Amino acid sequence: DIQMTQSPSSLSASVGDRVTITCRASQSISSYLNWYQQKPGKAPKLLIYATSSLQSGVPSRFSGSGSGTDFTLTISSLQPEDFATYYCQQSFILWTFGQGTKVEIK
Amino acid sequence: EVQLVESGGGLVQPGGSLRLSCAASGFTFSSYAVNWVRQAPGKGLEWVSYISSGGSTIYYADSVKGRFTISRDNAKNSLYLQMNSLRAEDTAIYYCARGRIRERDFDYWGQGTLVTVSS
Repeated sequence: DIQMTQSPSSLSASVGDRVTITCRASQSISSYLNWYQQKPGKAPKLLIYATSSLQSGVPSRFSGSGSGTDFTLTISSLQPEDFATYYCQQSFILWTFGQGTKVEIK
Repeated sequence: EVQLVESGGGLVQPGGSLRLSCAASGFTFSSYAVNWVRQAPGKGLEWVSYISSGGSTIYYADSVKGRFTISRDNAKNSLYLQMNSLRAEDTAIYYCARGRIRERDFDYWGQGTLVTVSS
């Protein structure tokens, strides 16, 4: 099984900050890495697929990069509506999610 | 508008059974794979099961293999999850999620249905 490890598990940031979340796979997953955002009491929402492709309707302040085993999600200028939990997901072999990164208000 | 609406959750005793449903609308259901994903209270997301558009290809997470059965009825635009031999650790919100084959992602999700396994 492929394990996904996100870091940090949580972070505190201010509106306007640049935020970076890291996701590491236990083996190479090529570019089969997706990112989701989940707000409390809501279903997850797809943000980025295939490492760096922005899902339709997602603001351009979100971006993704990486390949192989190391990936990042970057929010260039954090907005109030971005406070949420973010999950990476590998889709190289079946699907596995990271444990999540909670982005909180500083 | 794409919609996925889960139902069938509730309280069940350990060892019991439950059948979840997911009603799809706003897209050609028979053209898409669908998945079940669960989230235990206060925890992260766990992929549970996948079924291809025609139903011929099915996968399960090891944690539910042999106990859960995924199925679909394309004529009714519906997805199902039959859950048997339920355990306390199966307690979670269960989401259905549409799968895109080329992108290998889950682009639309339902709002979820809560399953509680407790005596």
